[in-house]
Amino acid sequence: QVQLQESGPGLVKPSETLSLTCAVSGYSISSGYYWGWFRQPPGKGLDWIGSMYHSGITYYTPSLNSRVTVSVDTSKNQFSLKLNSVTAADTAMYYCARHSYSGTFDIWGQGTMVTVSS
Amino acid sequence: QSVLTQPPSASGTPGQRVTISCSGSSSNIGSKTVSWYQQLPGKAPKLLIYSNNQRPSGVPDRFSGSKSGTSASLAISGLQSEDEAAYYCAAWDDSMNGWVFGGGTKVTVL
Repeated sequence: QVQLQESGPGLVKPSETLSLTCAVSGYSISSGYYWGWFRQPPGKGLDWIGSMYHSGITYYTPSLNSRVTVSVDTSKNQFSLKLNSVTAADTAMYYCARHSYSGTFDIWGQGTMVTVSS
Repeated sequence: QSVLTQPPSASGTPGQRVTISCSGSSSNIGSKTVSWYQQLPGKAPKLLIYSNNQRPSGVPDRFSGSKSGTSASLAISGLQSEDEAAYYCAAWDDSMNGWVFGGGTKVTVL
């Protein structure tokens, strides 16, 4: 079955860049679907960060557009998130997920907690 | 402040029917499809309903979704203890130019 697994540092210093990777197994990213990143601050709700179509086309939430990049490495069947100039407000559980054009987020990773602190 | 509005909490006794509302506007629910997610404590979200009222395989038919105008609803019939979780609605928003979620509703089984 299709599985997604996030990985990356659990602690990032303020003003530095948060970098996460989502490894996909059981499905080739190149075959289709959109691949997205989401986050959930402690005790709060879900927020969409950005998504990438399998062709490499990306789109981001306007509030983070200037700081975020989503990219793909088809050779490793994984996609990545980079969020620069982080602050404490970026502390959250980060999830990757597969989704359709209509926004059916059908497969989620287990999530990875990222804390921004010096 | 979430673009989609959900009640923060809902509760019911085992076997009861619980309904969760998700209120939006013409730029999201009014013109786009809605999906619903269940998040058990400490777990990742799980797709429950897509395209307003479709259930993925494996989701019990106790869960049902509906949409009318700029609002959507998730109903849980025959409430069970394992349904205790947070539930989120989601849709595309043309004004925000992105995917938006409701603030989440925590369901408690009394």
